[in-house]
Amino acid sequence: QQQVKQSPQSLIVQKGGIPIINCAYENTAFDYFPWYQQFPGKGPALLIAIRPDVSEKKEGRFTISFNKSAKQFSLHIMDSQPGDSATYFCAARNRDDKIIFGKGTRLHILP
Amino acid sequence: DVKVTQSSRYLVKRTGEKVFLECVQDMDHENMFWYRQDPGLGLRLIYFSYDVKMKEKGDIPEGYSVSREKKERFSLILESASTNQTSMYLCASRWGRTGHGYTFGSGTRLTVV
Repeated sequence: QQQVKQSPQSLIVQKGGIPIINCAYENTAFDYFPWYQQFPGKGPALLIAIRPDVSEKKEGRFTISFNKSAKQFSLHIMDSQPGDSATYFCAARNRDDKIIFGKGTRLHILP
Repeated sequence: DVKVTQSSRYLVKRTGEKVFLECVQDMDHENMFWYRQDPGLGLRLIYFSYDVKMKEKGDIPEGYSVSREKKERFSLILESASTNQTSMYLCASRWGRTGHGYTFGSGTRLTVV
């Protein structure tokens, strides 16, 4: 119930392609869904977030799509660049205001 | 920008040692968290604190304790380090319980030999 399931575990995409990372959850009480980006040697940093009453949110080349009925959400990166190579974590906030993280996706963008 | 500083980037400790990991944030955040990050397991919550002197267990508190005597500082203590505590430890802070998003430190890579 408290889990956020993330896939794929790793992803390799050609420069300019659109990597898609998917997440699913069971707990309908989750009320906030952030994505974090982590570069090697750094801590995760908040990238973009969405609330469940919104179906899509876009910030620059990053887009979250949210399907409340399916309890799924995904991150799309438009016109991906080698500098986007990082580990991405989806997450959800529960009733206790704790953030539950997915297990992460290692993304590599080929030049 | 909020800065979360973890005192050590790399640490090597011996089995059985008492280990202190320090974390300081400079933006008066109320909430602070300790996670460990392991390949394939993602980020797992060890302990958290919603205010000074307060502490609550996360998902994997066994073998750890914490201290929060001042608002800006949150310490993680490994009472008797074991090899299965070799990991990357990440500290994070947040403005308050309704705050959006964590700010993470750069992590401490701990190796227990």
